[in-house]
This record gives sequence, C-alpha cells and structure tokens, in this order.
Amino acid sequence: EVQLLQSGGGLVQPGGSLRLSCAASGFTFTRYAMTWVRQSPGKGLEWVSGISGSGRNTYYPYSVDGRFTISRDNSKNMLYLQMDSLRADDTALYYCAKVVNIDLPDPFDYWGQGALVTVSS
Amino acid sequence: SSGPTQPPSLSVSPGQTATITCSADKLGGTYAGWYQQKPGQSPVLVISEDNKRPSGIPERFSGSNSGNTATLTISGTQAMDEADYYCQAWDSNTVVFGGGTKLIVL
Repeated sequence: EVQLLQSGGGLVQPGGSLRLSCAASGFTFTRYAMTWVRQSPGKGLEWVSGISGSGRNTYYPYSVDGRFTISRDNSKNMLYLQMDSLRADDTALYYCAKVVNIDLPDPFDYWGQGALVTVSS
Repeated sequence: SSGPTQPPSLSVSPGQTATITCSADKLGGTYAGWYQQKPGQSPVLVISEDNKRPSGIPERFSGSNSGNTATLTISGTQAMDEADYYCQAWDSNTVVFGGGTKLIVL
C-alpha cells in the first residue's frame, strides 16, 4: 500500500524558514517523480515544486522560484521542501504527492495528508 | 502563467450526466489530469493522461482532451460524486491547475 506521511508544518514569522518532510512507503521510490502542491484556506490547488526520480531534475513555478527548494533522499525514501523568505501569502496546507512516472509532467496518483504552514507575526 | 479556466460550479440531478470543462490555449497538446477533492480530504486522481482511469475509480468517470478544451464526464452522477474537481495540465515547464469546479448533486 502506497503511503505518504508528512511532517514539519507549523507557525513561522514572515521572512523565516521551514522544512517540510514526506516519508514514502509501499512503492519503489527512485522510480517515481515527486511533487509538492499547496492549497490556501478556501482556495484552489497550486503546484509549488517537482523533482524527478533521480533527483537530477527540479521544477518550480515563478511564485516560489529562488525561495523554495525541493530535494529527495532516495536512500531513506524521503522528500523535502525547504521554504525560505516566507511570506503571508505562503500560508496554506501543503501536500506531497507521487507522480505516475519517473519525471514530470505526468499527473499525481497518491497524496499525503497535508501539513499546515502558517506565516504570521 | 495563469491556470486553465473551469466553471466555478455545476448542478446536476442524481442519475444525470455531469460535464466539466477545462479550457486553455493549446491544452490539447499536453496531457490533462482530473482530481476530485471532498471537504477535509486530500485530492484523488480520477482521470490521468486525458482519459485513463486509475485503479479503483468507477467507470462512470471518463475524460477527453482536444483543441483548447479538456472535459471530465461523470455518467449517472451519484450523490457521493458531490465534490470539487480540478483539472491539471503542463504549460511552459510548470504544472498548472484550473480554478476548480464545485459539483453539486441535488
């Protein structure tokens, strides 16, 4: 059974940093790309980053490029999102998700439970 | 880039066919995916790569993609299908989501 277990959310001040983690199990981790998607309260889905199965290719939208860094540790089946220079509009529920293939742009077939990030002073 | 356009809401009666559209320039040139999200839950992939149904998704869910429009069709809509639906596509090396459609079954 595929499982994605997230940790690391919380309250952070504007300008601060936070790292999200996602522990994967139930599939061969290196064979699949992974991604992060966020959802602001009452709003729609917004993609924030993606990484290929090997970790060589990373992808970001303009809104977070240069502030967020996606990474993975294939020896530990772990996915990470390092978020720096956080702003109030980064407040959201952050999901990790598994991509159906080894690289983007394919869809996301399994999702974590979400981790709430609140940016406020 | 801004995401594809979806209607904000759609109302259907049980047993009817629900058709949700997703429009963007040249959308048919890339694969489209569709997600169902119920309140308080994580999204679920219901259509992958334009028209593939993942394991466990009922046959009443189908998809198509051509020109500038991708379409999610739910045949014989049931009360349990009431949810938000999001399309997803690829544009200029970024993943883009539609704004979402609230499907109301009444």
